[in-house]
Amino acid sequence: ELKVEQNPLFLSMQEGKNYTIYCNYSTTSDRLYWYRQDPGKSLESLFVLLSNGAVKQEGRLMASLDTKARLSTLHITAAVHDLSATYFCAVDDTSGTYKYIFGTGTRLKVLA
Amino acid sequence: GAVVSQHPSRVICKSGTSVKIECRSLDFQATTMFWYRQFPKQSLMLMATSNEGSKATYEQGVEKDKFLINHASLTLSTLTVTSAHPEDSSFYICSARDPQRGGGTDTQYFGPGTRLTVL
Repeated sequence: ELKVEQNPLFLSMQEGKNYTIYCNYSTTSDRLYWYRQDPGKSLESLFVLLSNGAVKQEGRLMASLDTKARLSTLHITAAVHDLSATYFCAVDDTSGTYKYIFGTGTRLKVLA
Repeated sequence: GAVVSQHPSRVICKSGTSVKIECRSLDFQATTMFWYRQFPKQSLMLMATSNEGSKATYEQGVEKDKFLINHASLTLSTLTVTSAHPEDSSFYICSARDPQRGGGTDTQYFGPGTRLTVL
């Protein structure tokens, strides 16, 4: 059974600081997705990572994928309050069903 | 980008009644749609995979007779929560897969969600 774990589960940080969220998954997969969810809302797509070594950046967020280690990271640079949200990673179930398996989520609170 | 809508966005019903939630792909044909449930402060849990013209595939532990899924067209899937009870109160999110897209894009596009409250 494919499992996807994130850590930390909860992160409170000061504005201007840097931090990294980790996403570990248990089976081989070369497609990994990062999403943002605001309270009461659905998912907003942030990054699609398709191969080992993939790195993508948008604003203060940068995501990377290491398929050999089965690890993806979401790095936050110089956090601002607007980044406060819950962040999920998701991995393709490689059984050919196109299902996504979601990580546990990381609730980020950036303190002004 | 691809757009997926859900209706209603919010519904409140009495215990024992049935509620239908619609999921539509607005600008593409979705051969496959997925239904997720999310309880407060938890992750999304896949309930079932809906394939156009065939029976849905339910995840382990999801009661297929309680959560009826119909995918009658390439742009519409419906989830009916039958005989709803307070424990069914949750945020239901659908997603749709566009088989024409691929490469560097998402394969699933998520709807805005439906908040179900069962009194």
